[in-house]
Amino acid sequence: AQRVTQPEKLLSVFKGAPVELKCNYSYSGSPELFWYVQYSRQRLQLLLRHISRESIKGFTADLNKGETSFHLKKPFAQEEDSAMYYCALSALFGNTPLVFGKGTRLSVIA
Amino acid sequence: DADVTQTPRNRITKTGKRIMLECSQTKGHDRMYWYRQDPGLGLRLIYYSFDVKDINKGEISDGYSVSRQAQAKFSLSLESAIPNQTALYFCATEGTGSYEQYFGPGTRLTVT
Repeated sequence: AQRVTQPEKLLSVFKGAPVELKCNYSYSGSPELFWYVQYSRQRLQLLLRHISRESIKGFTADLNKGETSFHLKKPFAQEEDSAMYYCALSALFGNTPLVFGKGTRLSVIA
Repeated sequence: DADVTQTPRNRITKTGKRIMLECSQTKGHDRMYWYRQDPGLGLRLIYYSFDVKDINKGEISDGYSVSRQAQAKFSLSLESAIPNQTALYFCATEGTGSYEQYFGPGTRLTVT
């Protein structure tokens, strides 16, 4: 079974400080990992996916298969980064729905 | 992203009432999903459909039903609403093989 764990419900950082949102997963097959973001009063939207290896809004995430992690990082937090972040996992070549973690609320303090 | 729309956007209803939430999409995606979002519980999958003739239960389907009227439409019904169904409900779509979901704006439902 697929499972995604985000151990922090809330993460508060100061503006300009580094950010790391943790995500661990459990899946025996080949995973596709995603980060979704929900800004205040907006719909969820894809932030990045590991297979594209893009950096979006300064965020990066590296898939570590040994540690089964996909942590989201940004070197310098901005106030506009304050949002709810969800890590999600899909089974590559599978036919099952995306599995979401419970989310981490990031609060960037000015 | 106006490609995925939900109606109504807000609804207050009483315990025991039947209510339907609707989702429409113009993205041409085969896959559609219904989630509810609760503080501290994140997103939980209610039902999903991989094509018009396919309906599957998700993590928390009890008390809910769905209808996939067409590729573009996926409705969620609460047959007899109860207060713990008060939540924010999201519809999402996904192109087969893309693994990326596109969400609607959400429906805030309050059951009194």
